[in-house]
Amino acid sequence: AQKVTQAQTEISVVEKEDVTLDCVYETRDTTYYLFWYKQPPSGELVFLIRRNSFDEQNEISGRYSWNFQKSTSSFNFTITASQVVDSAVYFCALSEASGANSKLTFGKGITLSVRP
Amino acid sequence: DTAVSQTPKYLVTQMGNDKSIKCEQNLGHDTMYWYKQDSKKFLKIMFSYNNKELIINETVPNRFSPKSPDKAHLNLHINSLELGDSAVYFCASSQGISGRAGGNEQFFGPGTRLTVL
Repeated sequence: AQKVTQAQTEISVVEKEDVTLDCVYETRDTTYYLFWYKQPPSGELVFLIRRNSFDEQNEISGRYSWNFQKSTSSFNFTITASQVVDSAVYFCALSEASGANSKLTFGKGITLSVRP
Repeated sequence: DTAVSQTPKYLVTQMGNDKSIKCEQNLGHDTMYWYKQDSKKFLKIMFSYNNKELIINETVPNRFSPKSPDKAHLNLHINSLELGDSAVYFCASSQGISGRAGGNEQFFGPGTRLTVL
């Protein structure tokens, strides 16, 4: 069975600080996909990134970067120079590549508060 | 040009009533989903449909019945509503290709906040 653990529940930082959101996953599949979603206070779920299990390259998109390490089953998310607009709940999710039976298993989410 | 839309956005009703939430996607995706987000923000899948066929049913009470009239729509009917059904319900869709559905990101609707009194 697949499982996603986001051990941090709430993080509070001051604007311009860097912050890392941790994600640890469990799966028996050798092929799987990892995702991060953002849920701002307005409530919608915004897709941020997808990473395949066979691609361990880190990714950077503006102030966002992701560190995928299969050896530790982790897919951590770093926000550099955080801004107030980054305040949201961030979910890490896992999908096993099992055709149409695939589903997203979410972690419990991390509430990030960025103070001015 | 909304990708995944849900109606209504808010739904307040009494225990025991029957209600429906509608979902439509204009992305041309083959697979649609319903997720439930509880008061602690935990998101859990309820159902998935692929080309109108039920694929996943995650031990949801049979008071919940999804209906997919075509692959662009996945509606959720809930009978005999209970207090514990209060939650935010999200519809999502993805371009599921046989054998690769797991790899495609799911696009979510804005959510429907259901409150059962």
